This record gives sequence, structure tokens and C-alpha cells, in this order.
Amino acid sequence: DTAVSQTPKYLVTQMGNDKSIKCEQNLGHDTMYWYKQDSKKFLKIMFSYNNKELIINETVPNRFSPKSPDKAHLNLHINSLELGDSAVYFCASSRNPQGAGANVLTFGAGSRLTVL
Amino acid sequence: SQQGEEDPQALSIQEGENATMNCSYKTSINNLQWYRQNSGRGLVHLILIRSNEREKHSGRLRVTLDTSKKSSSLLITASRAADTASYFCATDRSGNTGKLIFGQGTTLQVKP
Repeated sequence: DTAVSQTPKYLVTQMGNDKSIKCEQNLGHDTMYWYKQDSKKFLKIMFSYNNKELIINETVPNRFSPKSPDKAHLNLHINSLELGDSAVYFCASSRNPQGAGANVLTFGAGSRLTVL
Repeated sequence: SQQGEEDPQALSIQEGENATMNCSYKTSINNLQWYRQNSGRGLVHLILIRSNEREKHSGRLRVTLDTSKKSSSLLITASRAADTASYFCATDRSGNTGKLIFGQGTTLQVKP
């Protein structure tokens, strides 16, 4: 059973289009994240939700809109795609970063977005 | 700004040799973690060291932490071809923000 699964794995689209990436975790974790990894492997946090509430919102263009219908799902919708959005987007989850204990992340396999 | 920086960016060794990767960071931390990423895959957690710890072992992995120098190192002993991957350090900053900040990683190639 895949712990954190995201779809699609590959996405190729034209500039200006709107696309979504979905993520689901079956670990019972309270918190989910979206990270973006660029071509130089630099991994940067974008958003974090804890029990469906947004708790981290980095400096990300408002063309990116996360949505968490329940604590097991976190989707990422991107409007008006630009060339610079091409990257690998990783979903991750953790038990509860704001409680006791360390914040250890479980990652999905990534969704490679290519904008032409 | 980016919290962690790994050094070297790339490392190539022969099977059986030891591999050492270093990570420097800028702010106070609760803990520091190391993750591994195989090509085309997601990151996998390897080991965590808390700010009050100086050294930790897990199998062939040894992690050290020097909070006075704001640096950590990951040593992989008796490397195998299957250890070929990118290795990232991540810092969990003081204040319990829940936000892990990753470095750019060290790409390790272990030649059989």
C-alpha cells in the first residue's frame, strides 16, 4: 500500500492552461505539504495544511491554490501555467508538527510538471 | 532564504569506501534530519538528530551535529552501489513552526 500517493506522475501542458495535482495519504497523519523541486534539486516548501486548515503559505503566486477536502487529501491547482512552473511537485505528510515530537515527513513519488 | 547548504554538491566513490557529506545551516534548530532521494523518486527519511545530541548511529549511517558551528555531517560506511542517490539535510527550526527547510543536496555515486 502506497503511504502518500500523488497523481498524475507526469503532466505536460501548454502555457496558460490550468492543471491540478492530487495527493492522498493513508497514514492517518494530521499535516500535509506541497514542496516544489526545481531542476537544480532545490526543494522549497509551498504550503502546509493541518487538519484541513492552512498553516504555512510561503511566498507563492496566487495562481497556486491548495485545497484540502479532508485531512487525508491535499490537492494543488495551478492557474495560467507559466514556463517557470516546470518542476517536480512533491506531496508529503507528517503526524503533527505542532505537537510533541519531531516533524518527520513521508513523501510521495512526485509529479513532474512540464510547461511548454 | 535557504537554510541548509550541503557540501560537496557531488561525490563519486568506489564501493566499500566511506562517504561523508556535510550540511551547514543558519538559524537555531530543534532537530536536523537527513533524507535520501533516488533518481525519479520521492525523499525518504533516514535519520534525525536533535539539537541536544552530538552523534547518532543507524546501521551504516553516522550523523554528527555541532550546534556551535551550525553544521552536521552524514557518514555512510562501507558504501554499496545501491547507496547511489541524492542526500538532503533538513532543519526543523526553533519555534516549532512545523516547517522543514531543505538544503540542495549532495549527489552520491557509488561505483561497483
